[in-house]
Amino acid sequence: DQQVKQNSPSLSVQEGRISILNCDYTNSMFDYFLWYKKYPAEGPTFLISISSIKDKNEDGRFTVFLNKSAKHLSLHIVPSQPGDSAVYFCSPHSGGSNYKLTFGKGTLLTVNP
Amino acid sequence: DAGVIQSPRHEVTEMGQEVTLRCKPISGHDYLFWYRQTMMRGLELLIYFNNNVPIDDSGMPEDRFSAKMPNASFSTLKIQPSEPRDSAVYFCASSSLKMQYFGPGTRLTVL
Repeated sequence: DQQVKQNSPSLSVQEGRISILNCDYTNSMFDYFLWYKKYPAEGPTFLISISSIKDKNEDGRFTVFLNKSAKHLSLHIVPSQPGDSAVYFCSPHSGGSNYKLTFGKGTLLTVNP
Repeated sequence: DAGVIQSPRHEVTEMGQEVTLRCKPISGHDYLFWYRQTMMRGLELLIYFNNNVPIDDSGMPEDRFSAKMPNASFSTLKIQPSEPRDSAVYFCASSSLKMQYFGPGTRLTVL
């Protein structure tokens, strides 16, 4: 039962262009969404988050959009840089005092110079 | 703070041997999570603790896997006996709120 789907295993973009990573979820109880970034041989690190009461959150070059009715969120990176090359995980949270996260399988982003 | 510390970083063992992975969470964090990452299944939660008490171990694959948290600063994940299909990267993470902080992982290879 895959509650979180990142349907693109990989994405390749040119430096300076926009990267768009997508995530779909099925559980309507999810109310907080995090994106994690992972470099090889390192643990995932937090990148950006969004609460279900918002539809957009921006932090520098990174913007996350949430469409609750479609149960879809996306991460936009503009402009993309070679250092952004990593695996990106979408991770929803189901709220309350349960701090358990559910992770998608990740999308490998490659930004070409 | 040094972040979440895991040891060893790499472990190579033979099938049938006992493997123990160790984790030191960030001081003050009351949640600790053990994950396993494989190509096929991605990042999957094995077990998590709150205030040293196991809350949900439904992700533990089978009885060969066990985890303990004897105090707030230390946790172990043990596999006994190990099998080749246990080969993966095992992550420990800790949190005090919704954001989890991950350790660097232990790459386990079972021959």
